[in-house]
Amino acid sequence: SAVISQKPSRDICQRGTSLTIQCQVDSQVTMMFWYRQQPGQSLTLIATANQGSEATYESGFVIDKFPISRPNLTFSTLTVSNMSPEDSSIYLCSATETGVEKLFFGSGTQLSVL
Amino acid sequence: GENVEQHPSTLSVQEGDSAVIKCTYSDSASNYFPWYKQELGKGPQLIIDIRSNVGEKKDQRIAVTLNKTAKHFSLHITETQPEDSAVYFCAARSGTYKYIFGTGTRLKVLA
Repeated sequence: SAVISQKPSRDICQRGTSLTIQCQVDSQVTMMFWYRQQPGQSLTLIATANQGSEATYESGFVIDKFPISRPNLTFSTLTVSNMSPEDSSIYLCSATETGVEKLFFGSGTQLSVL
Repeated sequence: GENVEQHPSTLSVQEGDSAVIKCTYSDSASNYFPWYKQELGKGPQLIIDIRSNVGEKKDQRIAVTLNKTAKHFSLHITETQPEDSAVYFCAARSGTYKYIFGTGTRLKVLA
């Protein structure tokens, strides 16, 4: 299965600042996604990271707040902009491996906003 | 919209007993159903999955059953061990990438 590395693993940030989360996959993948998991909650899809083009956002998520890049097949970044305490969550990178339809997750980034 | 209901939200079992977690989905076009285990501080780990053309799948102590007519599927863990303690999520996929996740079940295996 694909190994997905995320960094940072956790961070504590001040209100109004931005944080960029990096995601690196160790094998060829077809699709990459970003999920949010609020404390004690399930997983909510933020967007699909498209290689070389703008990400596809789900309802309730916008590019200005969560800009995403995917410059190549195996790397993506998610930025959480102008943070507020409501953004405190776990952010998860995920991917489907080429030739394997299964969805794998990274270890997550635990974000706390003060 | 599409929805996946998961029950129970918490489950405590004695070590060695079996645990069953149930999910119901709403989208009849769903064709793939994975189960994930999430330990504290870690990302979800895929533990077993089943496609819509299969009724049951087993992997050692873990099994998943699917009833397409009733639109529900279940995770069965036999001979539970303390290391099985975690949060378990079911999911249903429609199309190629649209996954809807259940609300999670916190399983506690008591030694």
